[in-house]
Amino acid sequence: EAGVAQSPRYKIIEKRQSVAFWCNPISGHATLYWYQQILGQGPKLLIQFQNNGVVDDSQLPKDRFSAERLKGVDSTLKIQPAKLEDSAVYLCASSSDRVEQYFGPGTRLTVT
Amino acid sequence: AQRVTQPEKLLSVFKGAPVELKCNYSYSGSPELFWYVQYSRQRLQLLLRHISRESIKGFTADLNKGETSFHLKKPFAQEEDSAMYYCAPSGNFGNEKLTFGTGTRLTIIP
Repeated sequence: EAGVAQSPRYKIIEKRQSVAFWCNPISGHATLYWYQQILGQGPKLLIQFQNNGVVDDSQLPKDRFSAERLKGVDSTLKIQPAKLEDSAVYLCASSSDRVEQYFGPGTRLTVT
Repeated sequence: AQRVTQPEKLLSVFKGAPVELKCNYSYSGSPELFWYVQYSRQRLQLLLRHISRESIKGFTADLNKGETSFHLKKPFAQEEDSAMYYCAPSGNFGNEKLTFGTGTRLTIIP
């Protein structure tokens, strides 16, 4: 089966600019996750969707981060405006059983 | 608050020697426990979960509830085991958010 797809793979922006990441989960996976992985740390969950509804967004900085999954398939994560501390790898994962998660390749964001 | 500690950032082991990657957790309730692995230039992927009690690629992990530990072990290391390993407990269904440790980079010396 095709894996989780993410784009872009790399992005460099200046602080205060906006950026958006896209994720296409494995077909049929109802649960979708966005993680932030800062260098030297493990992934941290930002938001979890079940179909197009939000299950957990307790660690999403809602003043600048937003995410949507309008049709219960693809998802976008947006940062506006970006800060230097947002430099990280953003990982998307999906799951069919909310147990095993399948990860995408990630988007490496550098904010200068 | 849930906490996961992987005390070793880096671990080097000779090929054929035993491997043990440590993980200690602080978690309310009875968490499920997972090990995820990321090989060079590959995606993060599930290695094993404690509830399945399987041995994957020769690795096993024993849950010690008294010590709240979930150490990953392999009796004889192979070069292809070189990777980044993350311990990740989660809550039960309905609260299954994974909390990842900081990871241990395992290098197998030929």
